[in-house]
Amino acid sequence: EAGVAQSPRYKIIEKRQSVAFWCNPISGHATLYWYQQILGQGPKLLIQFQNNGVVDDSQLPKDRFSAERLKGVDSTLKIQPAKLEDSAVYLCASSFNLIGTGESTGELFFGEGSRLTVL
Amino acid sequence: KQEVTQIPAALSVPEGENLVLNCSFTDSAIYNLQWFRQDPGKGLTSLLLIQSSQREQTSGRLNASLDKSSGRSTLYIAASQPGDSATYLCAVNTGGFKTIFGAGTRLFVKA
Repeated sequence: EAGVAQSPRYKIIEKRQSVAFWCNPISGHATLYWYQQILGQGPKLLIQFQNNGVVDDSQLPKDRFSAERLKGVDSTLKIQPAKLEDSAVYLCASSFNLIGTGESTGELFFGEGSRLTVL
Repeated sequence: KQEVTQIPAALSVPEGENLVLNCSFTDSAIYNLQWFRQDPGKGLTSLLLIQSSQREQTSGRLNASLDKSSGRSTLYIAASQPGDSATYLCAVNTGGFKTIFGAGTRLFVKA
């Protein structure tokens, strides 16, 4: 079974430029998460999708970050304009849903991450 | 508000030693708890998942326990090896399926 795919693995940009990250979850996983991990810290949830709907985006800096999952499969996270403090690893995770309730099991499977450096 | 703390932040042990990593959480109303391993520059690899109704889970040399009443989980690693060197993160899944991570414990196993 293929895991969570992310690209690009690394990106270096100047501040105020824009960047986009792509994630393809494990096949059949209805719930998709984007996390931000700053060096030395645990991952922090940015946004959670269930199918193509947003479940939680309370910690997403909406003035500069946006994310979409138009067809309920792959997802794109965009940052525009980037700031120095956005330098981090952006992790995508997915989980499958319980038959019946449709709720996420909460067991997360992560991709390799996309490391962003903002200069 | 759920908070997750991992102690120690870093640990260095000689090869072959048994060790325990600690994870504490402030709200006992959890759905499950998951332990992850993260190698430098890599994503998170799931090690063990403990449901709220379970007390422990085992996989090879790893054993994770859960005590909801005291807000604690431990990850026991038997006969540590240099290949175990990594950062270990615990993640608590709360009501509403929100997952809160600790900052991790960086483990270094010396050959």
